Amino acid sequence: DAKTTQPPSMDCAEGRAANLPCNHSTISGNEYVYWYRQIHSQGPQYIIHGLKNNETNEMASLIITEDRKSSTLILPHATLRDTAVYYCIVTRYNFNKFYFGSGTKLNVKP
Amino acid sequence: EAGVAQSPRYKIIEKRQSVAFWCNPISGHATLYWYQQILGQGPKLLIQFQNNGVVDDSQLPKDRFSAERLKGVDSTLKIQPAKLEDSAVYLCASSSLRGNTEAFFGQGTRLTVV
Repeated sequence: DAKTTQPPSMDCAEGRAANLPCNHSTISGNEYVYWYRQIHSQGPQYIIHGLKNNETNEMASLIITEDRKSSTLILPHATLRDTAVYYCIVTRYNFNKFYFGSGTKLNVKP
Repeated sequence: EAGVAQSPRYKIIEKRQSVAFWCNPISGHATLYWYQQILGQGPKLLIQFQNNGVVDDSQLPKDRFSAERLKGVDSTLKIQPAKLEDSAVYLCASSSLRGNTEAFFGQGTRLTVV
């Protein structure tokens, strides 16, 4: 699976959009980008995934660049409850295997 | 639907003792994972089952760790004997075999080895 690179931490003001970047320059054509988050003392929670098109659900939007070498997770209106570690994972279709890196610690501040 | 259930939530043992963790995945999920998460790090995949067969156990320290998934449903992870460096949160997750679906995680078991 392709390796991902994320900044170790980011700050965001409450109510503003949080944009979390992820680099995956060695991604293959059949690999998807997944995002999970882990709130303190809880198990990781699935957020969203995509292949090449931008995706949106009730939690977030995922923007994948045209060359697929990077992506951005967008939380449109961050709240204090969004404070968590966010993990970007690349995995093959139907592989159902998720390797976690160190993630980005997002601090949402009032 | 009910989520992934794990027990116990917390466990404190002395080094060289043994310990077992239990996981009940989401009903119908064929794939089950055990992860180890050391404080300050991301979860590390220890073992992956598909039904009751092992798909990947390449990162499982087999000299002391063992896992089984009887009848393709519940699973247990055992450590014997425990070392201080086994102190971590042990997370269980499950996913469906149908298509490219996400894994659902339990709350984890926090193990402290003293």
